[in-house]
Amino acid sequence: LAKTTQPISMDSYEGQEVNITCSHNNIATNDYITWYQQFPSQGPRFIIQGYKTKVTNEVASLFIPADRKSSTLSLPRVSLSDTAVYYCLVGDMGSSASKIIFGSGTRLSIRP
Amino acid sequence: ETGVTQTPRHLVMGMTNKKSLKCEQHLGHNAMYWYKQSAKKPLELMFVYNFKEQTENNSVPSRFSPECPNSSHLFLHLHTLQPEDSALYLCASSQKTGSGNQPQHFGDGTRLSIL
Repeated sequence: LAKTTQPISMDSYEGQEVNITCSHNNIATNDYITWYQQFPSQGPRFIIQGYKTKVTNEVASLFIPADRKSSTLSLPRVSLSDTAVYYCLVGDMGSSASKIIFGSGTRLSIRP
Repeated sequence: ETGVTQTPRHLVMGMTNKKSLKCEQHLGHNAMYWYKQSAKKPLELMFVYNFKEQTENNSVPSRFSPECPNSSHLFLHLHTLQPEDSALYLCASSQKTGSGNQPQHFGDGTRLSIL
C-alpha cells in the first residue's frame, strides 16, 4: 500500500498562497495522486488529480516532481471558506478500493 | 450539490432498533461505496459495489448489512448496533472500479448516534 504523510495542520491568512506537501515514498508505477477537501459534517470533495509534472484547474494546482515521491497542492489566494481538511491519496483507482487510503489529512485554518 | 444524496442526514437510534440508511446517485456511475468516519479518525472503507455486485467487504460486522438493488441506489441496513458505531456514514460513487483513475463523489453523510 502506498502510504502518505502530510502535515497534521497548517495556518495561513486570507489572500495568501497555501502549499500543502504530501510524501509518498513507495508510490507505484500505476498510482495516481488525488486530493480531496472536506468541510465539517460533509463528505470529501474531489479537488484535483495528477500523475506527473503539473496539473492545474480552476481551484488548485498540483505539482509532482519527476521521482513522484511527493506532491504539493497549491491553493492560490485562499479565503476563509478554504478552511477544511485536505486529504492526499495515492493509488491506482482502478484496483481494489481498499488500497485507496484516506489518512488523517491536513487541517488548514485560514485567518482574516 | 454533489450528485450523491444520502438520507436521513441525522439518525438517533437505540441499540435494539432496526433502521436503514439510503444513498442515491444521479451521476450515472456504476460503483458505490460505504465509508464510516468516526470523530477525528480517518475514513474507513466498509463496502464496495461494482455493477450491483459486492466486490469488497472490509471485515465489517454483520450488524451492518448493505444492499444494492441497482447501480443508482445503495442501502445500509442497521440492527443491534453498539455505541461505538456512532459516526458519520458516507456514501460515494465512481464511474466504476477496475478502470484507472476514477475519483469518488461523496454524499454529505448520515450522522448516526446510538443511544
